[in-house]
Amino acid sequence: AQTVTQSQPEMSVQEAETVTLSCTYDTSESDYYLFWYKQPPSRQMILVIRQEAYKQQNATENRFSVNFQKAAKSFSLKISDSQLGDAAMYFCAYRQLGGSQGNLIFGKGTKLSVKP
Amino acid sequence: GAGVSQTPSNKVTEKGKYVELRCDPISGHTALYWYRQSLGQGPEFLIYFQGTGAADDSGLPNDRFFAVRPEGSVSTLKIQRTERGDSAVYLCASSLGGSGGQETQYFGPGTRLLVL
Repeated sequence: AQTVTQSQPEMSVQEAETVTLSCTYDTSESDYYLFWYKQPPSRQMILVIRQEAYKQQNATENRFSVNFQKAAKSFSLKISDSQLGDAAMYFCAYRQLGGSQGNLIFGKGTKLSVKP
Repeated sequence: GAGVSQTPSNKVTEKGKYVELRCDPISGHTALYWYRQSLGQGPEFLIYFQGTGAADDSGLPNDRFFAVRPEGSVSTLKIQRTERGDSAVYLCASSLGGSGGQETQYFGPGTRLLVL
């Protein structure tokens, strides 16, 4: 079974600085998708960025980028120029490609605090 | 509103009672997912609908949990004989429903269930 591990329960960053959140996963599949979701106190999960495993190029969305290391099964999120609004829980998630299992498998999350 | 909506926002019930949680997906989305998020954890998959049918219900913890989607749009998660351990946030997500797994799942704000 696939698993997702986030080893940092909490992280803190100074406003305007850069922070990296770690995520590792375990799977025997060769094709899959990886996601980072943000969950503010409002509880609504918001997609931050996604990566297709077959793509070697790391995904980037404005201030958010990933470091995808397929062989190491590592998928870290880098937030540049951190803003107060980035404070939230961040969840790494895995999804199998195709098949009947459409669900996401989540890690336990990392709580990010942004200091002014 | 174009997003996923869930009602009620909060639900308090007594042990042994029956509850229904409702999810209204984004219009046109054929795939619908239910997740349960316990305190301090990432969301855990419960059930996945493709259209009216449950494509994968392997995440339902026991036979007290049941979900329906009779017309392929609104879904209701039903919990019988509630237990204190059922207390959690129940999240619903929807996606377009194509094959491949690359689709983004859009989440609702969740229903916080408290069983006293």
